[in-house]
Amino acid sequence: KQEVTQIPAALSVPEGENLVLNCSFTDSAIYNLQWFRQDPGKGLTSLLLIQSSQREQTSGRLNASLDKSSGRSTLYIAASQPGDSATYLCAVYDYKLSFGAGTTVTVRA
Amino acid sequence: KAGVTQTPRYLIKTRGQQVTLSCSPISGHRSVSWYQQTPGQGLQFLFEYFSETQRNKGNFPGRFSGRQFSNSRSEMNVSTLELGDSALYLCASSITGQETQYFGPGTRLLVL
Repeated sequence: KQEVTQIPAALSVPEGENLVLNCSFTDSAIYNLQWFRQDPGKGLTSLLLIQSSQREQTSGRLNASLDKSSGRSTLYIAASQPGDSATYLCAVYDYKLSFGAGTTVTVRA
Repeated sequence: KAGVTQTPRYLIKTRGQQVTLSCSPISGHRSVSWYQQTPGQGLQFLFEYFSETQRNKGNFPGRFSGRQFSNSRSEMNVSTLELGDSALYLCASSITGQETQYFGPGTRLLVL
């Protein structure tokens, strides 16, 4: 059974600092990995998708890496802003998405 | 183009009742998946439909069922509601299931 872990569970940083969010998974037989953002009481917004054959994916201030052999992914958010405050979820896809519990980020103005 | 829509957005039911939730995927998407989100268990996979067929199923009791129509819209039904069914129910659509999953805003169900 796939287990996805996200560390830390919560993070508070001052505006402008770079964010580093970690995700680990137990079964490397995945098709892809996705990072999502969830605002309180809302649905999930897709941020980045990394195919299992890729090592990295970038979108604006966001960069995600994937090391399938070690079962790890990292999401980097550069120059954080208060609007980046949300819960960030990592999910691996085989035939379904298996989610971590998320990292709740607070960016202080 | 329009995103994934879910109706209704909020529901209050009592134990023993049944409920039907609806999900309209992004145009052109044929895969629709359903997830339950609770504070204790996080996000859990319920089932996936592709071209009107249930393709995958999670570990939920038979009270949870679904279907997909020829226009890819999907419904989820929960019969004999229990207090523990209170949750945010999210649906996600993708073209075939293996690409970016786009989520709807969810239906928040409260069972009293």
